[in-house]
Amino acid sequence: DIVMTQSPDSLAVSLGERATINCKSSQSVLYSSNNKNYLAWYQEKPGQPPKLLIYWASTRESGVPDRFSGSGSGTDFTLTISSLQAEDVAVYYCQQYYGTPPTFGQGTKLEIK
Amino acid sequence: QLQLQESGPGLVKPSETLSLTCTVSGGSISSSSYYWGWIRQPPGKGLEWIGSIYYSGSTYYNPSLKSRVTISVDTSKNQFSLKLSSVTAADTAVYYCATSTYDFWSGYPNWFDPWGQGTLVTVSS
Repeated sequence: DIVMTQSPDSLAVSLGERATINCKSSQSVLYSSNNKNYLAWYQEKPGQPPKLLIYWASTRESGVPDRFSGSGSGTDFTLTISSLQAEDVAVYYCQQYYGTPPTFGQGTKLEIK
Repeated sequence: QLQLQESGPGLVKPSETLSLTCTVSGGSISSSSYYWGWIRQPPGKGLEWIGSIYYSGSTYYNPSLKSRVTISVDTSKNQFSLKLSSVTAADTAVYYCATSTYDFWSGYPNWFDPWGQGTLVTVSS
């Protein structure tokens, strides 16, 4: 199985400041046939199902604010929130879908400082 | 737009079989574009993929659960189901159904979207 490791486990950022969450995979999730990184990011708020934010490592899902961006390739990826809003308080997960089983990171809890 | 809704018992006794159904609306479960999957989340913990099924009936299961899991599709009802046998307290979790698009290159499911609201299943006597 591909192991996904996120850092940090928790993060406190001031409103309007940048938040950065990292995700590292135990093997590359870059598919050579199409040059795509098989990596997604989700946001989970209490009592709600996870919400897709980013897929193909950097493609923003329709309706997701542009303050959310994804970057990285191969084994190292980053989710960046450029200017933290109060509604961004949540747990964030990365997920690889390069192969089966698809696996998730352990989650990063984002709070307001 | 696809919408998914889980249903089933919220309480299951140890050693029995957990059975859940996901009803799909806004699209056909027979579509060649989608995989239909189950994911769970124990209280206060992270997400674990259980398995996915393609419209053709092809299934992929998490190796850690494979011996106890069956996922099936009922096209007449536009539903798919999860059965998890021999449950223990460790199987207590919120169970989500979710959709993935079929990836032409890998043949596997892509990211999960949309998700159902989730249903809490508690294993207890």
